[in-house]
Amino acid sequence: NAGVTQTPKFQVLKTGQSMTLQCAQDMNHEYMSWYRQDPGMGLRLIHYSVGAGITDQGEVPNGYNVSRSTTEDFPLRLLSAAPSQTSVYFCASGAYSNQPQHFGDGTRLSIL
Amino acid sequence: SQQGEEDPQALSIQEGENATMNCSYKTSINNLQWYRQNSGRGLVHLILIRSNEREKHSGRLRVTLDTSKKSSSLLITASRAADTASYFCATDNTGFQKLVFGTGTRLLVSP
Repeated sequence: NAGVTQTPKFQVLKTGQSMTLQCAQDMNHEYMSWYRQDPGMGLRLIHYSVGAGITDQGEVPNGYNVSRSTTEDFPLRLLSAAPSQTSVYFCASGAYSNQPQHFGDGTRLSIL
Repeated sequence: SQQGEEDPQALSIQEGENATMNCSYKTSINNLQWYRQNSGRGLVHLILIRSNEREKHSGRLRVTLDTSKKSSSLLITASRAADTASYFCATDNTGFQKLVFGTGTRLLVSP
């Protein structure tokens, strides 16, 4: 069981470039989420999904796009990278409400 | 905005001592969760406590929840060097796993 797998682990982008952060889970979880972690601020929710075909915005959605075509995958797209998006990005999945989330190991993204 | 505020921000203790971390939050919740994060790694779930529960135990961990004060505490008994990590509380206000995290407590346990 791989759990939640995030790729890539590290990425450096130039301002204005676009890219997709991949997230896959093999636990058949309905809920999936993307968070960003900045120094001293804990994790903040970017987008989340309660099932295939259903997504919604979190606290800090601007500049990011998501889709959920399958239960397993929940990619996060940066449309036009900005230095303010330099962060560590975590994907998480959960079975249903009132259950814990399982986190991937993160993607460390630097935007120059 | 951050829902949870954790106290202390940093805690340094010796092996064998107990560690207590506190979390305060602002709005009503469905559940409150505690996670551990080792340096450079993802978060690992420790305990989930529902809004109608007051206390939960898991091994050396004890979590309490006081919804009237909007606060929770995590107690780690008989700490070990391996407990060195950052600890975060997170609240779920909607039941849809939209977690709102606190800023965390950095725990250092010295041998």
